[in-house]
Amino acid sequence: AQSVTQLGSHVSVSEGALVLLRCNYSSSVPPYLFWYVQYPNQGLQLLLKYTTGATLVKGINGFEAEFKKSETSFHLTKPSAHMSDAAEYFCAVSGGNQGAQKLVFGQGTRLTINP
Amino acid sequence: KAGVTQTPRYLIKTRGQQVTLSCSPISGHRSVSWYQQTPGQGLQFLFEYFSETQRNKGNFPGRFSGRQFSNSRSEMNVSTLELGDSALYLCASSETGANVLTFGAGSRLTVL
Repeated sequence: AQSVTQLGSHVSVSEGALVLLRCNYSSSVPPYLFWYVQYPNQGLQLLLKYTTGATLVKGINGFEAEFKKSETSFHLTKPSAHMSDAAEYFCAVSGGNQGAQKLVFGQGTRLTINP
Repeated sequence: KAGVTQTPRYLIKTRGQQVTLSCSPISGHRSVSWYQQTPGQGLQFLFEYFSETQRNKGNFPGRFSGRQFSNSRSEMNVSTLELGDSALYLCASSETGANVLTFGAGSRLTVL
């Protein structure tokens, strides 16, 4: 079984500041991990994913995340926030390649960017 | 390539009615998954279809059902609607053997 905990339902940062969104997971099998972003009235857009290999993964729009097995974490970061980053962000885990379509999502973190 | 297309985008139903939502996956994608998104429960997996067969099912009552056609298009049906079924229903498709889902914009259902 898998589960995801996103720490902080709301995060607010200033434009140009570091963005850090926290995600911890639990999985009984080697996990596949994902970050998705959702803008108002839209579906989910994939930011980045970790399956195997390099633990630091880079995604779109300047985001990156690091898989830390010992800490069961997959935190999302961006060095400098832009106003366009304001959205809701979801961390998700799946049970590897056997269940890749069955994602378990965290509750989401709403990111607000202050000018 | 066109993205994942969901219809209708918005609909309003009353309790006890039934609803059918449609999803057209990206061309060439044979796997289609459905998710329900609500403020209280968040994003929850409903079911997944591959080559017209249900391959995975989430923990939802039997009122929620789906099917997939030979062209990979999928529909989901909710019968005897309840107020709690008000949600954004998201469809996602993926290539065979791939581990990434591409989501549609969703169908927002309001049950009055």
